[in-house]
Amino acid sequence: DAKTTQPTSMDCAEGRAANLPCNHSTISGNEYVYWYRQIHSQGPQYIIHGLKNNETNEMASLIITEDRKSSTLILPHATLRDTAVYYCIVRVDSSASKIIFGSGTRLSIRP
Amino acid sequence: DVKVTQSSRYLVKRTGEKVFLECVQDMDHENMFWYRQDPGLGLRLIYFSYDVKMKEKGDIPEGYSVSREKKERFSLILESASTNQTSMYLCASRLTGGDEKLFFGSGTQLSVL
Repeated sequence: DAKTTQPTSMDCAEGRAANLPCNHSTISGNEYVYWYRQIHSQGPQYIIHGLKNNETNEMASLIITEDRKSSTLILPHATLRDTAVYYCIVRVDSSASKIIFGSGTRLSIRP
Repeated sequence: DVKVTQSSRYLVKRTGEKVFLECVQDMDHENMFWYRQDPGLGLRLIYFSYDVKMKEKGDIPEGYSVSREKKERFSLILESASTNQTSMYLCASRLTGGDEKLFFGSGTQLSVL
């Protein structure tokens, strides 16, 4: 699975859009981009994933660059409850292989 | 919704004890995983299982073993607990093929004294 690079920490004002970047320059053509988040003292929670096209669900939007070497997770209207560590993972689907988490980005939302 | 249940939220054990951490999922997932999480080190994969009785080592398997006798249950075993195994342990499960989201349990905070 391709390696990812994320900033260690970020902050954002409540009500604003939070944009979390992820670099995955060695991504292969069949690897998906997954995002999870972990709120303090809880297990990680799935947010969204995509292959090439931008994706949106009730939690967030995922923007993947045309060359697929980077992506951005967007929380459109951040709230205090979005304070968490956000993990970007790239991997091949349908693969019975291990799933590796990096260090993630610690996102703090300011009131 | 998928539910992944870890048997204990907090556990305190003594050095040298044999420790069992249990994880049960209710959605017939083939894949199950054990991670540990330590401050500054993120989530590190200990073992995973892609089917009943099948297991693969993750990045840090030393000092641990696992058991998967039934599809819904994946146990992590510390044969002789040591203080450096004090950590948060997280279990996860995933369906192979199609939507491959990981579902996590709430975690077990293990303290080895």
